[in-house]
Amino acid sequence: SQTIHQWPATLVQPVGSPLSLECTVEGTSNPNLYWYRQAAGRGLQLLFYSVGIGQISSEVPQNLSASRPQDRQFILSSKKLLLSDSGFYLCAWSVWGGGLETQYFGPGTRLLVL
Amino acid sequence: GQQLNQSPQSMFIQEGEDVSMNCTSSSIFNTWLWYKQDPGEGPVLLIALYKAGELTSNGRLTAQFGITRKDSFLNISASIPSDVGIYFCAGAVQGAQKLVFGQGTRLTINP
Repeated sequence: SQTIHQWPATLVQPVGSPLSLECTVEGTSNPNLYWYRQAAGRGLQLLFYSVGIGQISSEVPQNLSASRPQDRQFILSSKKLLLSDSGFYLCAWSVWGGGLETQYFGPGTRLLVL
Repeated sequence: GQQLNQSPQSMFIQEGEDVSMNCTSSSIFNTWLWYKQDPGEGPVLLIALYKAGELTSNGRLTAQFGITRKDSFLNISASIPSDVGIYFCAGAVQGAQKLVFGQGTRLTINP
């Protein structure tokens, strides 16, 4: 069966510090991978997605970047965090195509920038 | 771009009542998905719909893929306290590699 991991679960960082959030998927090959951000009590905002190693699509201009160094690894980074980067970050994976699209989410990372 | 209008934004009901929420779009979708999110956790997939008119159940949950391909609804029968949470609809357009999400329906249940 497939599983998705995110770490850390919680992170408190000062403004201006760097960020690295990691997501890994097990039990599937060549998945699409996604990073979402969710503000408190709000909906899901798609930040980045990747359909393969080294392929990154950015959905919104922002202070963040993403990388996919391995098939089942997706990393969200920032060189200098802003207060507005606080939120709940969710990684998700899907196997796309064939008319049976689904998407599964990880447990999330709660980021607080002070 | 595509947008999904999910309603209602919030619901306050008594335990045992039935719940209905829906999503509509001006665009045609080929897939409709319904998720539930508990506080502090990632959304969990409840039901997936792939054919227009399809009606699918998962326990007390029932969802339908609208005939026009532009809407979907989710019903919960005989609500219980653990149904509390935020419910999201999501749609996929043919050829796109990503989902479009509704803004969520927050369900609160009074015991």
